[in-house]
Amino acid sequence: DGGITQSPKYLFRKEGQNVTLSCEQNLNHDAMYWYRQDPGQGLRLIYYSQIVNDFQKGDIAEGYSVSREKKESFPLTVTSAQKNPTAFYLCASSIGAFPSSGANVLTFGAGSRLTVL
Amino acid sequence: QQQVKQSPQSLIVQKGGIPIINCAYENTAFDYFPWYQQFPGKGPALLIAIRPDVSEKKEGRFTISFNKSAKQFSLHIMDSQPGDSATYFCAASRYGQNFVFGPGTRLSVLP
Repeated sequence: DGGITQSPKYLFRKEGQNVTLSCEQNLNHDAMYWYRQDPGQGLRLIYYSQIVNDFQKGDIAEGYSVSREKKESFPLTVTSAQKNPTAFYLCASSIGAFPSSGANVLTFGAGSRLTVL
Repeated sequence: QQQVKQSPQSLIVQKGGIPIINCAYENTAFDYFPWYQQFPGKGPALLIAIRPDVSEKKEGRFTISFNKSAKQFSLHIMDSQPGDSATYFCAASRYGQNFVFGPGTRLSVLP
């Protein structure tokens, strides 16, 4: 089955630690995204990547870092600089950017819930 | 200008009712308006979407109504079922990039 796999599903972090969330897709999509979801705030874009070895900051990139060394993988590191990291993190992908009409369809993973102790 | 407003925040209806969720946007450059459905502990999944050149789109029990002049669009769920209980997000994008999501509406359909 094609899809997006996020791991771990639940993660606990101590103050001052960096943690990395994994995101792997087998959809052959060029574009990948990381969103943060907090209650009542919808989805906010952290980082996105339209192609391997390239990525762009989203609306709330401070305290986060990413890499895109392979088309299938887009890991997110939550650094100790992120002041309030407890949230539900969602990875998504799409076929690519404009002009492909398929670019409009985001496929999401099941999410990773990070809790800071 | 990038914000998408969504209301209500939560909604409770009886089985068979027709919940309506409303969204509004400011940026007239948006060219694609999807709705996503999310069940607890899961990622959102695309439900239905519309482009601004049509005023209505229907897929099964789900209908989007779009008012370009008012910069508003809404989701209607006909004959709602308890299985429709979920959080619904509207969104907007331009050229398949920079998706902007509304804050979500938590729908409960009572049996």
